[in-house]
Amino acid sequence: DQQVKQNSPSLSVQEGRISILNCDYTNSMFDYFLWYKKYPAEGPTFLISISSIKDKNEDGRFTVFLNKSAKHLSLHIVPSQPGDSAVYFCAASAYNDMRFGAGTRLTVKP
Amino acid sequence: NAGVMQNPRHLVRRRGQEARLRCSPMKGHSHVYWYRQLPEEGLKFMVYLQKENIIDESGMPKERFSAEFPKEGPSILRIQQVVRGDSAAYFCASSVLRGQTEAFFGQGTRLTVV
Repeated sequence: DQQVKQNSPSLSVQEGRISILNCDYTNSMFDYFLWYKKYPAEGPTFLISISSIKDKNEDGRFTVFLNKSAKHLSLHIVPSQPGDSAVYFCAASAYNDMRFGAGTRLTVKP
Repeated sequence: NAGVMQNPRHLVRRRGQEARLRCSPMKGHSHVYWYRQLPEEGLKFMVYLQKENIIDESGMPKERFSAEFPKEGPSILRIQQVVRGDSAAYFCASSVLRGQTEAFFGQGTRLTVV
């Protein structure tokens, strides 16, 4: 069962514009949410996280928004840069569980 | 502090052989997760372990796959009698706490079954 869903397999944006990646989850027990970035032939690297007690967390160009009532989170990248081109995975964590979405491939065009 | 170390990076096995994938978590981390990424697919949860205990193996195939995380030494993901469909990238991640914290990933082991 897919408890974490990323419905857009790919996204293409122009350099300097905003990238918005979306993620939905079904399990209301999840209380910690993360975004990971993955380049080919490498392991995912942690990007940013948010606890369920918050609705926004910002780190430089990256901001994660959490809407608990909708069970939805999003990652905003502003401004997008060509080096941001990668696959982005969202993850949701409960006490003894961490589940990932299928990933969204972001391409930032110069 | 070295990151999560996985070895080998690449593993080729003939059908019917056994594959053993190793994962050394970050120092001080006692929680290990294994994930599989099939070609053109996302990360699929396989198993979550703590030292000497399997906490959740709901993502592991019932047959041929097993995992352990002994008191000393790395976590091992073992696949017996491999088949072509086992070809994938296998990632492990470790964390220091249970929940409410990020997990750090290794570089992965790419298993090819010929």
